Amino acid sequence: AQSVSQHNHHVILSEAASLELGCNYSYGGTVNLFWYVQYPGQHLQLLLKYFSGDPLVKGIKGFEAEFIKSKFSFNLRKPSVQWSDTAEYFCAAYSGGYQKVTFGTGTKLQVIP
Amino acid sequence: EAQVTQNPRYLITVTGKKLTVTCSQNMNHEYMSWYRQDPGLGLRQIYYSMNVEVTDKGDVPEGYKVSRKEKRNFPLILESPSPNQTSLYFCASSLYKLAGGTEQYFGPGTRLTVT
Repeated sequence: AQSVSQHNHHVILSEAASLELGCNYSYGGTVNLFWYVQYPGQHLQLLLKYFSGDPLVKGIKGFEAEFIKSKFSFNLRKPSVQWSDTAEYFCAAYSGGYQKVTFGTGTKLQVIP
Repeated sequence: EAQVTQNPRYLITVTGKKLTVTCSQNMNHEYMSWYRQDPGLGLRQIYYSMNVEVTDKGDVPEGYKVSRKEKRNFPLILESPSPNQTSLYFCASSLYKLAGGTEQYFGPGTRLTVT
């Protein structure tokens, strides 16, 4: 079955610390991968996405993610977090030919000033 | 402004009382979908629609119905709500069917409580 795993459920960082959130997927074939962010009380917004080409993708607000096919991973990174990055982050995926989207369980990031 | 709207935003109801949550998008998107978000479970897809009159089940369709009579609207119907359907519901849309990196745009969410 297709699945998306996020192993970090709750991460607490100080401002200026580096961030890496893990995402692993179990899809065969062509996979489309996404990171969405949900700020407190708001709806989901797209941070970045990958479906082909350069495996290192850059998104908004200084976030980036690297697609490593051999590891079935799509980890989210940011060199220096800010208090305003406090939010819940979701990894999501769908594969070619299927119209269902699978989300990970989410990672709550708390950045301490 | 391009957006996905949902109504109501908050709803408290009782077991068994039929309800409808509306979803509308003004972007002429073909694909629309409903999700529920529960703590520790992330978002789970309930139903999706690839176009007018084309709908299909997601991963958790039990207890829900949908219809897509117009391109812009995709209502979620709970014929007989139960307490285990208490959740935060999101509607989303995308320009085309899911392929080639097509991203989804999400509505603001509807918090439903069934007592």
